[in-house]
Amino acid sequence: SYELRQPPSVSVSPGQTARITCSGDALPKQYACWYQQKPGQAPVLVIKKDSERPSGIPDRFAGSTSGTTVFLTISGVQAEDEGDYFCQSADRNGTYWVFGGGTRLTVL
Amino acid sequence: DVQLLESGGTLVQPGGSLRLSCAASGVTFDNYAMAWVRQSPVKGLEWVSAISASGGVTYYPDSVKGRFFISRDNFRKILYLQMESLRVDDTAIYFCAMMSGAGFADLHLHSWGQGTLVRVSS
Repeated sequence: SYELRQPPSVSVSPGQTARITCSGDALPKQYACWYQQKPGQAPVLVIKKDSERPSGIPDRFAGSTSGTTVFLTISGVQAEDEGDYFCQSADRNGTYWVFGGGTRLTVL
Repeated sequence: DVQLLESGGTLVQPGGSLRLSCAASGVTFDNYAMAWVRQSPVKGLEWVSAISASGGVTYYPDSVKGRFFISRDNFRKILYLQMESLRVDDTAIYFCAMMSGAGFADLHLHSWGQGTLVRVSS
């Protein structure tokens, strides 16, 4: 099997920058993407292919990578950004498709 | 806009069977691979199955292989998930989601339905 590791929670004040990490051994080889999920709603894709922003996603959302870690950075965090964030990728061979455990972003 | 509407979730006993459906609209359905993803408090988000645009290629994780079967009707724009030998730990919200291309080259899911709840309990 394969795992993606995320911190359970991140807290930030409005207007500050939030950075959420996702670690996995295969991330240098496999693209990652990120989803935002609010209570009672389906996930929404906010970053694809490590750093591409789908249409309609505000430019305060950015994705980046460094080695075995990918990052979701939210600049100028707003109250509406509060929710759960999940990374998604696959193992080195593309056999196991996995989601991270999720990070709850709290806007203080 | 793409709309995906799941149905079929209900309470079922362990060992039972269930078929979920997902009706798509606002999209050229047969251009895109489709997937089922489930979410539970215990296991979080978990891939359940995926199927290529043509229906010729499928993906199942070990947790459901041999028990769940994905299919699609491109004419009617409906995605199905047939679930057999259901277990208590299959209890989850099941989401239908659309992938970005016809195959599995990119695994991101750009559109999701609102989900349907499957409860497995005696």
